[in-house]
Amino acid sequence: EVQLVESGGGLVQPGGSLRLSCIVSGFTFSGSWMTWVRQAPGKGLEWVASIKQDGSERFYVDSVKGRFSISRDNAKNSLHLEMNSLRFDDTAVYYCARDPAASSRHMDVWGNGTTVTVSS
Amino acid sequence: SYVLTQPPSVSVAPGKTANIACGGNNIGIYTVHWYQQKPGQAPVLVIYYDKDRPSGIPERFSGSNSGNTATLTISRVEAGDEADYYCQVWDSGSAHVVFGGGTKLTVL
Repeated sequence: EVQLVESGGGLVQPGGSLRLSCIVSGFTFSGSWMTWVRQAPGKGLEWVASIKQDGSERFYVDSVKGRFSISRDNAKNSLHLEMNSLRFDDTAVYYCARDPAASSRHMDVWGNGTTVTVSS
Repeated sequence: SYVLTQPPSVSVAPGKTANIACGGNNIGIYTVHWYQQKPGQAPVLVIYYDKDRPSGIPERFSGSNSGNTATLTISRVEAGDEADYYCQVWDSGSAHVVFGGGTKLTVL
């Protein structure tokens, strides 16, 4: 069974940092692009970042460039999102998702999400 | 950056057909994917590559894409189809994944 389990969310003050993790099982992690998507309370889905199988390509939404860093450890089947200089508008549920495509990024399996709350 | 526009809401009676539009400039040259999200749950991929269905998704779900509009069609709508639906493309020019704003499907 394919599973993605996120962790690391929590309450953080503006300007603070958090590191999200996503542990996967049930598929060949090293063979898939991976993606983080977030959803602010009551809002729609927003793509955050994607990373290629070997980590050689990484893409970010403009609003997090320079503040967030996506990474992966293929030996540990884990995906990470390092978040720095957090702002109020980073408050959201953060989902990790598998991207099976060689082109046309899309997400076919999703975790249940981890909640990040930025508040003073 | 590329923009996808969806109607905020669509209502349909049970057993009827729901069409959810996703507008974008010349979207027909992009590949469109669709997700279903029920309250408190993670999104689920229901259509990929414009019209393909993942395993486990009923045949009642179909997709099309041409010109400036992509459409998710749900035939013989059931109460369990009530959810938010999002379209999504990969804009290779900007190397960005783009989601539409989402459409809330209400089954009357």
